[in-house]
Amino acid sequence: EDQVTQSPEALRLQEGESSSLNCSYTVSGLRGLFWYRQDPGKGPEFLFTLYSAGEEKEKERLKATLTKKESFLHITAPKPEDSATYLCAVLPPGGATNKLIFGTGTLLAVQP
Amino acid sequence: DSGVTQTPKHLITATGQRVTLRCSPRSGDLSVYWYQQSLDQGLQFLIQYYNGEERAKGNILERFSAQQFPDLHSELNLSSLELGDSALYFCASSSPWGAGGEETQYFGPGTRLLVL
Repeated sequence: EDQVTQSPEALRLQEGESSSLNCSYTVSGLRGLFWYRQDPGKGPEFLFTLYSAGEEKEKERLKATLTKKESFLHITAPKPEDSATYLCAVLPPGGATNKLIFGTGTLLAVQP
Repeated sequence: DSGVTQTPKHLITATGQRVTLRCSPRSGDLSVYWYQQSLDQGLQFLIQYYNGEERAKGNILERFSAQQFPDLHSELNLSSLELGDSALYFCASSSPWGAGGEETQYFGPGTRLLVL
């Protein structure tokens, strides 16, 4: 069964303390891997799509990377406004549907 | 703002009742997806529609049904509600895979359903 596992479940950082979130998956031949940010009670906000191993994408203090079995979301010098739940999702092979499989997320708290 | 709209924002109802959640996709998107997010589980895929036709089903209960109308908006109907149906329900939309641009699903703000 296709699975997505995110670690750690929760992470507390001091402002400016860089770190990485991990997303590992068991899907073979995935068509894409997605990172979202979700604030409490809000809808997931799209951050990145990665398509193939070795690909990297950056946006402000966030950088996402992809290998054959996992993805990392690196947060450089985080600020309190980066506090949120970060969700990873994969799109398995099969062209008929774009059903995403989500991990349970990493809850990030950045303290000033 | 993702461009996906959902109504209502909040819904409080009693067990045994029926409710309808509404979603309007981003302009130009043909696919609509429904997801359920409860406290003890992550985002769970319920159902996908593409241009009015059902495309895929997840672990959607038989008490739940959905449809996509000719104007591409979608409705999720939940009936015989139980306490365990209390959750956030999200709608997402996407453009056809391979149509160009950033290929992803854009999520609406959600409907918070509370069943008492």
